[in-house]
Amino acid sequence: GAGVSQSPRYKVAKRGQDVALRCDPISGHVSLFWYQQALGQGPEFLTYFQNEAQLDKSGLPSDRFFAERPEGSVSTLKIQRTQQEDSAVYLCASSLASEGGVYGYTFGSGTRLTVV
Amino acid sequence: AQKITQTQPGMFVQEKEAVTLDCTYDTSDPSYGLFWYKQPSSGEMIFLIYQGSYDQQNATEGRYSLNFQKARKSANLVISASQLGDSAMYFCAMREGNFGNEKLTFGTGTRLTIIP
Repeated sequence: GAGVSQSPRYKVAKRGQDVALRCDPISGHVSLFWYQQALGQGPEFLTYFQNEAQLDKSGLPSDRFFAERPEGSVSTLKIQRTQQEDSAVYLCASSLASEGGVYGYTFGSGTRLTVV
Repeated sequence: AQKITQTQPGMFVQEKEAVTLDCTYDTSDPSYGLFWYKQPSSGEMIFLIYQGSYDQQNATEGRYSLNFQKARKSANLVISASQLGDSAMYFCAMREGNFGNEKLTFGTGTRLTIIP
Protein backbone atom coordinates (compact mmCIF):
# COMPACT_ATOMS: atom_id res chain seq x y z
CA GLY A 1 0.00 0.00 0.00
CA ALA A 2 0.89 3.64 -0.07
CA GLY A 3 1.60 3.95 3.63
CA VAL A 4 2.17 1.96 6.80
CA SER A 5 -1.06 0.31 7.84
CA GLN A 6 -1.82 -0.68 11.42
CA SER A 7 -4.75 -2.65 12.76
CA PRO A 8 -6.83 -2.50 14.74
CA ARG A 9 -7.03 1.25 15.08
CA TYR A 10 -8.44 0.91 18.59
CA LYS A 11 -8.33 -2.01 20.99
CA VAL A 12 -9.91 -2.34 24.42
CA ALA A 13 -8.67 -5.28 26.44
CA LYS A 14 -9.56 -6.52 29.87
CA ARG A 15 -6.63 -6.78 32.22
CA GLY A 16 -5.01 -10.17 31.79
CA GLN A 17 -6.07 -10.63 28.16
CA ASP A 18 -3.59 -11.22 25.36
CA VAL A 19 -3.60 -8.83 22.41
CA ALA A 20 -2.01 -8.84 18.96
CA LEU A 21 -1.32 -5.68 17.03
CA ARG A 22 -0.58 -5.83 13.33
CA CYS A 23 1.64 -3.67 11.14
CA ASP A 24 1.76 -3.73 7.33
CA PRO A 25 4.84 -1.74 6.28
CA ILE A 26 5.37 -0.07 2.95
CA SER A 27 6.12 -2.70 0.34
CA GLY A 28 9.85 -3.21 -0.02
CA HIS A 29 10.78 -1.49 3.21
CA VAL A 30 13.47 -3.51 4.88
CA SER A 31 13.43 -1.94 8.32
CA LEU A 32 10.47 -2.03 10.68
CA PHE A 33 10.14 -0.47 14.11
CA TRP A 34 7.69 -0.55 16.97
CA TYR A 35 7.30 2.38 19.34
CA GLN A 36 5.09 2.89 22.39
CA GLN A 37 3.62 6.32 23.03
CA ALA A 38 2.04 6.95 26.40
CA LEU A 39 -0.43 9.79 26.76
CA GLY A 40 1.30 13.17 26.63
CA GLN A 41 4.71 11.65 25.90
CA GLY A 42 6.95 11.13 22.95
CA PRO A 43 7.23 7.70 21.34
CA GLU A 44 9.60 5.26 23.00
CA PHE A 45 11.47 2.60 21.07
CA LEU A 46 10.41 -0.99 21.57
CA THR A 47 12.03 -3.12 18.90
CA TYR A 48 13.54 -3.12 15.40
CA PHE A 49 13.59 -5.61 12.53
CA GLN A 50 15.68 -5.74 9.43
CA ASN A 51 13.81 -8.10 7.14
CA GLU A 52 12.82 -11.01 9.39
CA ALA A 53 15.71 -10.55 11.81
CA GLN A 54 14.96 -8.82 15.08
CA LEU A 55 18.13 -6.78 15.55
CA ASP A 56 17.21 -4.83 18.65
CA LYS A 57 14.58 -5.60 21.26
CA SER A 58 16.13 -3.60 24.06
CA GLY A 59 13.03 -1.42 24.47
CA LEU A 60 10.53 -4.19 25.16
CA PRO A 61 9.42 -3.44 28.73
CA SER A 62 8.92 -7.01 29.89
CA ASP A 63 8.82 -10.59 28.72
CA ARG A 64 5.07 -10.14 28.21
CA PHE A 65 5.91 -8.24 25.03
CA PHE A 66 6.85 -10.18 21.95
CA ALA A 67 7.26 -9.10 18.32
CA GLU A 68 7.73 -11.08 15.16
CA ARG A 69 8.13 -10.55 11.44
CA PRO A 70 8.39 -14.07 10.09
CA GLU A 71 8.48 -13.33 6.36
CA GLY A 72 10.13 -9.94 6.49
CA SER A 73 7.00 -7.97 5.72
CA VAL A 74 4.00 -7.91 8.10
CA SER A 75 4.85 -7.67 11.78
CA THR A 76 2.85 -8.50 14.87
CA LEU A 77 3.37 -7.11 18.33
CA LYS A 78 1.89 -9.37 20.96
CA ILE A 79 1.28 -8.43 24.55
CA GLN A 80 0.43 -11.21 26.95
CA ARG A 81 -1.51 -10.78 30.19
CA THR A 82 -2.10 -7.08 29.56
CA GLN A 83 -1.75 -4.65 32.45
CA GLN A 84 -3.15 -1.15 32.83
CA GLU A 85 0.29 0.35 32.33
CA ASP A 86 0.30 -1.15 28.84
CA SER A 87 -2.36 1.37 27.81
CA ALA A 88 -0.75 3.50 25.11
CA VAL A 89 -0.61 4.11 21.39
CA TYR A 90 1.59 1.59 19.61
CA LEU A 91 3.22 3.04 16.53
CA CYS A 92 4.82 1.10 13.73
CA ALA A 93 7.32 2.64 11.31
CA SER A 94 9.20 1.37 8.30
CA SER A 95 12.08 2.54 6.13
CA LEU A 96 14.29 1.49 3.26
CA ALA A 97 17.21 0.14 5.31
CA SER A 98 19.64 2.88 6.28
CA GLU A 99 17.85 5.52 4.23
CA GLY A 100 15.59 5.92 7.17
CA GLY A 101 18.51 7.52 8.91
CA VAL A 102 18.48 10.41 6.49
CA TYR A 103 15.01 10.65 5.04
CA GLY A 104 13.05 9.69 8.10
CA TYR A 105 10.83 6.78 8.78
CA THR A 106 7.24 6.42 7.65
CA PHE A 107 4.93 5.91 10.57
CA GLY A 108 1.49 4.37 10.70
CA SER A 109 -1.42 5.98 12.52
CA GLY A 110 -0.98 3.65 15.45
CA THR A 111 -3.12 1.33 17.52
CA ARG A 112 -4.58 2.85 20.66
CA LEU A 113 -4.66 0.14 23.32
CA THR A 114 -6.76 0.68 26.42
CA VAL A 115 -6.56 -1.90 29.18
CA VAL A 116 -9.51 -1.84 31.57
CA ALA B 1 20.14 13.03 31.66
CA GLN B 2 17.47 13.39 29.02
CA LYS B 3 18.82 12.78 25.55
CA ILE B 4 16.27 15.10 23.94
CA THR B 5 14.79 18.08 25.77
CA GLN B 6 11.89 20.13 24.52
CA THR B 7 11.15 22.84 27.06
CA GLN B 8 8.00 24.30 25.51
CA PRO B 9 4.97 22.15 26.33
CA GLY B 10 2.69 24.46 24.36
CA MET B 11 2.87 27.46 22.08
CA PHE B 12 0.28 29.77 20.58
CA VAL B 13 1.23 31.66 17.44
CA GLN B 14 -0.68 34.03 15.19
CA GLU B 15 -1.27 32.79 11.67
CA LYS B 16 1.38 33.91 9.15
CA GLU B 17 3.96 34.56 11.85
CA ALA B 18 7.18 32.56 12.13
CA VAL B 19 7.63 30.21 15.06
CA THR B 20 10.67 28.57 16.62
CA LEU B 21 10.35 25.28 18.50
CA ASP B 22 13.25 24.52 20.80
CA CYS B 23 15.18 21.29 21.05
CA THR B 24 18.40 20.48 22.87
CA TYR B 25 20.11 17.13 22.78
CA ASP B 26 22.74 15.22 24.68
CA THR B 27 25.11 12.71 23.15
CA SER B 28 28.79 11.86 23.32
CA ASP B 29 28.72 10.17 19.91
CA PRO B 30 30.30 12.33 17.19
CA SER B 31 27.97 10.84 14.59
CA TYR B 32 24.26 11.44 15.03
CA GLY B 33 21.16 12.60 13.22
CA LEU B 34 18.44 14.93 14.36
CA PHE B 35 14.84 14.79 13.18
CA TRP B 36 11.66 16.73 13.55
CA TYR B 37 8.27 15.06 13.29
CA LYS B 38 4.77 16.50 13.27
CA GLN B 39 1.93 14.58 14.89
CA PRO B 40 -1.56 15.89 14.08
CA SER B 41 -4.59 14.76 16.02
CA SER B 42 -5.01 11.82 13.64
CA GLY B 43 -1.96 10.27 15.29
CA GLU B 44 0.52 9.52 12.54
CA MET B 45 4.04 10.90 12.81
CA ILE B 46 4.98 12.97 9.76
CA PHE B 47 8.67 13.43 8.98
CA LEU B 48 9.56 17.10 8.46
CA ILE B 49 13.31 17.61 8.36
CA TYR B 50 16.66 15.96 9.08
CA GLN B 51 20.08 17.31 10.12
CA GLY B 52 23.20 15.18 10.23
CA SER B 53 25.91 15.95 12.75
CA TYR B 54 28.50 16.46 10.00
CA ASP B 55 26.30 18.61 7.81
CA GLN B 56 27.87 22.01 7.34
CA GLN B 57 24.69 23.83 6.47
CA ASN B 58 21.38 24.07 8.24
CA ALA B 59 18.72 21.84 6.73
CA THR B 60 15.74 23.41 4.98
CA GLU B 61 12.55 21.86 3.59
CA GLY B 62 10.04 24.35 2.25
CA ARG B 63 8.71 26.39 5.16
CA TYR B 64 10.73 24.33 7.64
CA SER B 65 14.31 25.04 8.58
CA LEU B 66 16.50 23.64 11.30
CA ASN B 67 18.68 26.03 13.27
CA PHE B 68 21.56 23.69 14.12
CA GLN B 69 24.00 24.98 16.72
CA LYS B 70 26.36 22.10 17.33
CA ALA B 71 28.42 23.66 20.12
CA ARG B 72 25.27 24.42 22.06
CA LYS B 73 23.73 21.06 21.17
CA SER B 74 20.56 22.65 19.95
CA ALA B 75 18.44 21.87 16.91
CA ASN B 76 15.54 24.28 16.85
CA LEU B 77 12.80 23.99 14.23
CA VAL B 78 11.74 27.20 12.52
CA ILE B 79 8.43 27.30 10.69
CA SER B 80 8.00 30.36 8.51
CA ALA B 81 4.63 31.89 7.63
CA SER B 82 2.64 29.59 9.89
CA GLN B 83 -0.67 28.19 8.69
CA LEU B 84 -3.71 26.84 10.52
CA GLY B 85 -2.77 23.35 9.35
CA ASP B 86 0.48 23.59 11.29
CA SER B 87 -1.44 23.11 14.55
CA ALA B 88 -0.15 19.80 15.91
CA MET B 89 2.33 18.19 18.27
CA TYR B 90 5.95 18.52 17.21
CA PHE B 91 8.63 16.09 18.30
CA CYS B 92 12.38 16.38 18.09
CA ALA B 93 14.25 13.07 17.84
CA MET B 94 17.82 11.80 17.62
CA ARG B 95 19.54 8.78 16.13
CA GLU B 96 22.97 8.14 17.62
CA GLY B 97 25.88 6.48 15.92
CA ASN B 98 26.26 5.41 12.34
CA PHE B 99 23.64 3.83 10.16
CA GLY B 100 23.15 0.45 11.78
CA ASN B 101 21.71 1.93 14.92
CA GLU B 102 18.38 2.94 13.55
CA LYS B 103 16.32 3.63 16.65
CA LEU B 104 15.15 7.13 17.45
CA THR B 105 14.96 8.80 20.85
CA PHE B 106 12.16 11.35 21.05
CA GLY B 107 11.55 14.38 23.22
CA THR B 108 8.27 15.01 25.01
CA GLY B 109 6.99 17.30 22.29
CA THR B 110 5.58 20.79 21.89
CA ARG B 111 1.93 21.39 21.14
CA LEU B 112 1.69 24.21 18.61
CA THR B 113 -1.59 26.04 18.12
CA ILE B 114 -1.97 28.51 15.28
CA ILE B 115 -4.46 31.27 15.98
CA PRO B 116 -6.39 32.72 13.03
